[in-house]
Parts: sequence; structure tokens; C-alpha cells
Amino acid sequence: GAGVSQTPSNKVTEKGKYVELRCDPISGHTALYWYRQSLGQGPEFLIYFQGTGAADDSGLPNDRFFAVRPEGSVSTLKIQRTERGDSAVYLCASSQRGGRRETQYFGPGTRLLVL
Amino acid sequence: QKEVEQNSGPLSVPEGAIASLNCTYSDRGSQSFFWYRQYSGKSPELIMSIYSNGDKEDGRFTAQLNKASQYVSLLIRDSQPSDSATYLCAVLNTGGFKTIFGAGTRLFVKA
Repeated sequence: GAGVSQTPSNKVTEKGKYVELRCDPISGHTALYWYRQSLGQGPEFLIYFQGTGAADDSGLPNDRFFAVRPEGSVSTLKIQRTERGDSAVYLCASSQRGGRRETQYFGPGTRLLVL
Repeated sequence: QKEVEQNSGPLSVPEGAIASLNCTYSDRGSQSFFWYRQYSGKSPELIMSIYSNGDKEDGRFTAQLNKASQYVSLLIRDSQPSDSATYLCAVLNTGGFKTIFGAGTRLFVKA
């Protein structure tokens, strides 16, 4: 079946603008994760959804970052007043139920560049 | 101290050799440990998971876990040029929701 998809694949914006990044998880997966990966670093955890609710949002760096998953499937990561330091690849992953031994399947990522 | 530490490399091994990748972690309550492979420009792909002390083998890959030493390793036997990638160690935190990744070790397998 289809894997995790993310749109757009690339996004270029100007400092101070608002952006939305979309993630479409594998059908039926209730667990969804957002990560941010900077060059030369591993993915950095941002937020974990179980169904519609954020079970752990401790990785969101500040209040400019917000994520929603209103119907328990598609999720949107929203970044307000973007800064150059927000430039990174934003990765989304999903797993079947979020169990400790489950595989997380990653999407291709959205490459965000803030000028 | 970083939560998950890896030698950034690069680690260079000849084709057919054993590649040994190491990782230490700080959260003593962690119960789930993972190795991901990431090719340049691509997203991470899970190759091994391990939950109990000892060794776990899957084909050419062996993961080793020592919870007392807070140490995880990955051995790749008969390394191939196609194994050239960045290998990310990941640890699920005590709470069970947050996966912490190391910075990754770049592996080069020379033909």
C-alpha cells in the first residue's frame, strides 16, 4: 500500500512568513510523529499524536510551532513568524498503534528553506 | 551530555569487512533501541530493533545491547558498497512516546 506522504516536498519562504507542512500517514496508523532534521544531525523529535490528540509535544521548540491532527489521519505542522534557524528537513512518521516495539515508517520529508 | 551519542565518523571499511557502529545513551529507563539507515537525501529506514540484553541477528546485521553499560552497537558483516550510508542509533525514552536519535555515523564501504 501507499507509504507516508508529505507535501510540499520543498518550501522556500521569507523570514517572518507563516508555513504549513502536511503529512498523510499510512492508512490505519493511529500514531503519527513529527521530526526536524538539520544537516549533519539526526532527526529531532517534535511531537507525537495518538489519534487526534498530542500525547507528547515536548519537542516543539517554542510557541511559533503548532501541529494538529483533527480527524486522526492527516496532520499539519504550522510554523508562525518563520526564522532562518527553522530551515531544515521536516520528517513525518507513522506507526500502527504507537507501541514501544513498533516500526516507525518515515515519509520523504519537506525541505524548508527560510530566506 | 547528549542523550544519544554516536561517533560521527566517517568510518571507512573495505568491501567484505565487518563494520562496527557504536552508540551510548543516557536514559537508564529506556527499553527500546533501534538502528536506522539513511541514504543521502533520503529518509531514515529501520534496519534493526533490540529490546533485551545480548545479541540479535538478522542476515548480515547483528545488534548488541548492554543496558548496564547503556551501550548499543550494530555489526555489519560482509560489508557491501551499497551499505554506504549514515547509520542512526535511536532510543525510545522511558515515557514510551519520544524517540531520541543520535547524530549518526557515516559509513563508507570501499569496493
